[in-house]
Formats: sequence, structure tokens, C-alpha cells
Amino acid sequence: KAGVTQTPRYLIKTRGQQVTLSCSPISGHRSVSWYQQTPGQGLQFLFEYFSETQRNKGNFPGRFSGRQFSNSRSEMNVSTLELGDSALYLCASSYLKRTSGDYNEQFFGPGTRLTVL
Amino acid sequence: GDSVTQMEGPVTLSEEAFLTINCTYTATGYPSLFWYVQYPGEGLQLLLKATKADDKGSNKGFEATYRKETTSFHLEKGSVQVSDSAVYFCALSDSYGTASKLTFGTGTRLQVTL
Repeated sequence: KAGVTQTPRYLIKTRGQQVTLSCSPISGHRSVSWYQQTPGQGLQFLFEYFSETQRNKGNFPGRFSGRQFSNSRSEMNVSTLELGDSALYLCASSYLKRTSGDYNEQFFGPGTRLTVL
Repeated sequence: GDSVTQMEGPVTLSEEAFLTINCTYTATGYPSLFWYVQYPGEGLQLLLKATKADDKGSNKGFEATYRKETTSFHLEKGSVQVSDSAVYFCALSDSYGTASKLTFGTGTRLQVTL
């Protein structure tokens, strides 16, 4: 079974531009989460989508947005880029179980490394 | 809110040495606990997990026990190899509703030398 794929793997942008990152989950997974990884802040949760709906959101400004399509693929968008947005953006997918208390293991993609100049 | 604290790195060990990476957490309710590993240039891989108190997660010689009384989930391995060199993240997941949101520690870099 193919893993989580993210495109592009590397991206260089300049301040003020916007960027769109893509994530294709494992086949059959309906939940997609996004994380930002930086040396200073570590790994931080951005948001999660399930069945095209945002279920949970982290503490990031409105410049960060996302969406999910009917095939569970997800995109995240960052508008008006700032130098501090330089980071590794990780996507994770999981097969959401309905049973309360069950853990939905998340499988991570390799990430997209965004550099803002 | 939820938080995870893990020991600062880097941790440098000789091959075959014993490894312990400490992890403590703060959470409401009964979180699930995890160790993830990140190799250079790669994403995160789940190393092991424990979903309730006293559970022991184990994989590839690594072990960690969910200690509710001390709110800890320390990672151990009896004999490390050079190939274990990576960054290790302790994480928790809220077991109620938002099970797909992980809260991570800052990561501990492990360097194993010959």
C-alpha cells in the first residue's frame, strides 16, 4: 500500500507570496492532519480534515488555511508569506475509527520543506 | 492545555550502550502516548504506542511503559546501534474526540557512535 505523499518536496518563495502544498493520504484514510515543524517551535498542529470538513484547528493565524477534497486529498495554503513560515510541513493521514477510545494511528508523509526568502 | 516535556539532547552514546530518553506529560483525561522517530530528511515514523495506564509499547528493541502515577513514558533500549541515530519525539493524543491531534515534545537527537 502506498504511503502518504506530499508535493512538492521542496519549495522556495519570497515574502508576501502565497503557497499551496498538497497531500495525498493512504488509500482508504479519510482523516488528514497538517503539522508545522521548525527548529524553534518544534512540531505544531495546524489543522485536521475529515470528510471535507475541518474538525480541529491549531493556534495559527488565518493566513494558514486548508481544504480537503472528496477523494480525501488535502491542500494547505499559506498567504502573505513571512520569513517565519519557513518550515517543514508534514501531513499525516489516519483511518478514523468510530469506537470511542480507539487510537487512530497517524501515518506521516516525508514533508514539504518551505523556504521563505 | 496538553503538553509533553522530554529531555534535551543531543544524547551521544557508544554502540551497545543502554538508552533512556525521559518523557513526561500533562493532559486531562486519559491520553494515548507515543514515540515517533525521524531519520534525517524523512518524515515521522511511529515507533511504539500505549493507549492506557500500565501498557508497555515495544518495537525494534525499544520499550516504553505508560505510567499514569508519574505521568511518564520514558523510552528505553538495552543496546543501541549506529542505525538508531535519529530524532525521537514523545507525543500524546487526546482520547476524546480530537484523537487525530498529536501534541509533541521538542524532540531528542540521539547520536550513536562506533
